[in-house]
Amino acid sequence: GDSVTQMEGPVTLSEEAFLTINCTYTATGYPSLFWYVQYPGEGLQLLLKATKADDKGSNKGFEATYRKETTSFHLEKGSVQVSDSAVYFCALRIASGTYKYIFGTGTRLKVLA
Amino acid sequence: EPEVTQTPSHQVTQMGQEVILRCVPISNHLYFYWYRQILGQKVEFLVSFYNNEISEKSEIFDDQFSVERPDGSNFTLKIRSTKLEDSAMYFCASSEGQGGRQYFGPGTRLLVL
Repeated sequence: GDSVTQMEGPVTLSEEAFLTINCTYTATGYPSLFWYVQYPGEGLQLLLKATKADDKGSNKGFEATYRKETTSFHLEKGSVQVSDSAVYFCALRIASGTYKYIFGTGTRLKVLA
Repeated sequence: EPEVTQTPSHQVTQMGQEVILRCVPISNHLYFYWYRQILGQKVEFLVSFYNNEISEKSEIFDDQFSVERPDGSNFTLKIRSTKLEDSAMYFCASSEGQGGRQYFGPGTRLLVL
């Protein structure tokens, strides 16, 4: 079935380090792909999305490219800040009956000053 | 940016009790969803709702669960007889169109004792 696999956390980085959080997916058809971020005590916020192969989503310095050949949507940021500390969820949206999201388990990022 | 709101933010209940979680979707949205996140696990789809009917539900959404749009603004999730394993964060979401972006609320953290 459809699923999302993302790297286990927590990921601990120093400020200004390079970030990669891996995400791969299994899906029939052509899903849209998303990264959501959950800051402590808050809900899910859309970070970026890509709706078709080779699309690059970007926001707040984060980027992810929809790679159909490797079924991946890895999240990257060139220089993380303490304020980026949060849990990051990779998700795909499928149209199966109704549109619904399938989320990965989340990766906790902790950035140290 | 428009917001989905949820009340209460936290609820503690005894096993076997009924709980109602409330959501106010974005005003011009027509599609509504509930998801849940058991602590430390992934976000899971529960149900989608459109035109006063359930569009789709997951296997988690058994007879103990029901959803309702009692008036023009609220969207509720009822759990008739809570179990310990119902303890989770419950997220409401809404979208304008069927395939549109889903906006998530901040969640209600439910603890069943």
